[in-house]
Amino acid sequence: SQKIEQNSEALNIQEGKTATLTCNYTNYSPAYLQWYRQDPGRGPVFLLLIRENEKEKRKERLKVTFDTTLKQSLFHITASQPADSATYLCALDPYGGATNKLIFGTGTLLAVQP
Amino acid sequence: GAVVSQHPSRVICKSGTSVKIECRSLDFQATTMFWYRQFPKQSLMLMATSNEGSKATYEQGVEKDKFLINHASLTLSTLTVTSAHPEDSSFYICSASPGQGSKLFFGSGTQLSVL
Repeated sequence: SQKIEQNSEALNIQEGKTATLTCNYTNYSPAYLQWYRQDPGRGPVFLLLIRENEKEKRKERLKVTFDTTLKQSLFHITASQPADSATYLCALDPYGGATNKLIFGTGTLLAVQP
Repeated sequence: GAVVSQHPSRVICKSGTSVKIECRSLDFQATTMFWYRQFPKQSLMLMATSNEGSKATYEQGVEKDKFLINHASLTLSTLTVTSAHPEDSSFYICSASPGQGSKLFFGSGTQLSVL
């Protein structure tokens, strides 16, 4: 069956440390993978998109990697801050990038302690 | 950046009534919009794809007669929850994109509570 799984329901880290979130998928061949941030009671907000031919992508304190062999993406937040506390979702297009239809992972709740 | 507006943000209704939720793309045209549903502490579940000028396509297990979708213009899609029941209580979120194969912009969501 097709699945998108993210590591642990919750991740607690200390301020200043690097948070690493994992997204694993099975039985998909996505052309790209996306990461979103969702705060309680709000819609998700886009963070980064990484394509299948890209190994790594960075944006300020964020870094995403994409390994199509392992079928895995890693999402890193360096020098984490309490304001980074939120749920982070990975998502992919099950049609290989032909549509904007996204299927979301289970999400990881990140809590950054001051 | 692109903005998607969703209304209302919260609605409380009695069992058996119908509720309409609006989703507008404010500064771009969207031939397709997507409706998601989210239960507490769970991820977003895609319900249906709203297609401008044609019928919506529903995901497996989603009742099309229960969740009516209308996409009458390039900037507006509506989701109507018909004859709502307590089990329909959930967070409904719409999304759209100005281009194919790019990021989605989400509305702020609608919290539906059916008494």
